[in-house]
Amino acid sequence: QVQLVQSGAEVKKPGSSVKVSCKASGDTFSSYSFNWVRLAPGQGLEWLGGIIPVLRTPNYAQKFQGRLTISADESTTSLFMELSGLRPDDTAVYYCTRISQSLFGYWGQGTLVTVSS
Amino acid sequence: DIVMTQSPLSLAVTPGESASISCKSSQSLLHSNGNNYLDWYVQRPGQSPQLLIYLGSDRASGVPDRFSGSGSGTDFTLKISRVEAEDVGVYYCMQALQPSYTFGQGTRLEIK
Repeated sequence: QVQLVQSGAEVKKPGSSVKVSCKASGDTFSSYSFNWVRLAPGQGLEWLGGIIPVLRTPNYAQKFQGRLTISADESTTSLFMELSGLRPDDTAVYYCTRISQSLFGYWGQGTLVTVSS
Repeated sequence: DIVMTQSPLSLAVTPGESASISCKSSQSLLHSNGNNYLDWYVQRPGQSPQLLIYLGSDRASGVPDRFSGSGSGTDFTLKISRVEAEDVGVYYCMQALQPSYTFGQGTRLEIK
């Protein structure tokens, strides 16, 4: 049974950075596609970017280029999403996902990131 | 980016009746391999989103056969037959053809 367990909620000041982790278990890790998706209040789902750990090279939505870093640690089967230059409209629940039948077949429980002064 | 447009944005359905949600894409999602790269997801209250349908019409594992997807190219439909109380949530279509992967605005399903 594949599980994606994310780190806990964060409260950040505008202009700061946040790093969210996602621990994957229950299956092999390195060759699967992992992605990050967010849901902001009153908004729809939004894809941020993704990575295949064995390939190491992430791809990002153009909107987040320059302030988003996605990485993976094969030794701990963990994914990381770091967003810098936080703004209040980055307040959202951030989800880690893994491919299964389609890109977002498995989902983590979500991590609430609140950006507020 | 490919723009995904859903309609309606909300609907209220009597249990036992059916519901349909339309999704239109700004570009064809039909790949040269014959697959339509269109997914449907649902986010039920208090839960993470869940994959319902992939490749336009294939049901994900464990999804009841009350859920069906159809369409090709730029026009797609999700149909829910015999709606139940547990179907309450927000339904999203998503194009999986090319990054940036984009979602529709979401359709909120309520029970009358």
